[in-house]
Amino acid sequence: DGGITQSPKYLFRKEGQNVTLSCEQNLNHDAMYWYRQDPGQGLRLIYYSQIVNDFQKGDIAEGYSVSREKKESFPLTVTSAQKNPTAFYLCASGRAGSTDTQYFGPGTRLTVL
Amino acid sequence: RKEVEQDPGPFNVPEGATVAFNCTYSNSASQSFFWYRQDCRKEPKLLMSVYSSGNEDGRFTAQLNRASQYISLLIRDSKLSDSATYLCVVNPYSGNTPLVFGKGTRLSVIA
Repeated sequence: DGGITQSPKYLFRKEGQNVTLSCEQNLNHDAMYWYRQDPGQGLRLIYYSQIVNDFQKGDIAEGYSVSREKKESFPLTVTSAQKNPTAFYLCASGRAGSTDTQYFGPGTRLTVL
Repeated sequence: RKEVEQDPGPFNVPEGATVAFNCTYSNSASQSFFWYRQDCRKEPKLLMSVYSSGNEDGRFTAQLNRASQYISLLIRDSKLSDSATYLCVVNPYSGNTPLVFGKGTRLSVIA
């Protein structure tokens, strides 16, 4: 099946630990994105990448890091510097160079205890 | 001014009712427009794109008014399964730059 996968669905971590969220797509999309959503709030852009080995900060990049070593993969690391990491994290992908839409993975719900 | 603004609702409507959501955007150069649907604790999913000429998909009609920088979504004959949050989404630039999401309008369809 074609699509975007995120794992795990639920993740629990202790405060002060770094954690990496996985995002994989087999849609052959060049562009990938990470968003954060807090309860009752809209989506906020963390990082995005339009091509392998390149990425840009979004609106709330502080405390997060990413890599884009492969077209299919765009992992997000939530570092201990992120003050309020508990949230719903959504990965998306889309075709570069077009006004096409973005498609989302099922999300990872991170809880920091 | 926020880039994309929506009335958060909630809109509570009876089954069978017609309901309309509005959205305004600030960047007059915006290139493309979408409505997404998000169910509780799920990812957003594309409902429909919004074209300048307006478009219809079954019970759903989307319209764009570039002069007023305004997008609308009309749902006719509401079903219980239409209960969700509807996100207005704008691509402010050409190419695959990140979409800008409104905070969403919550709809509850009541039996």
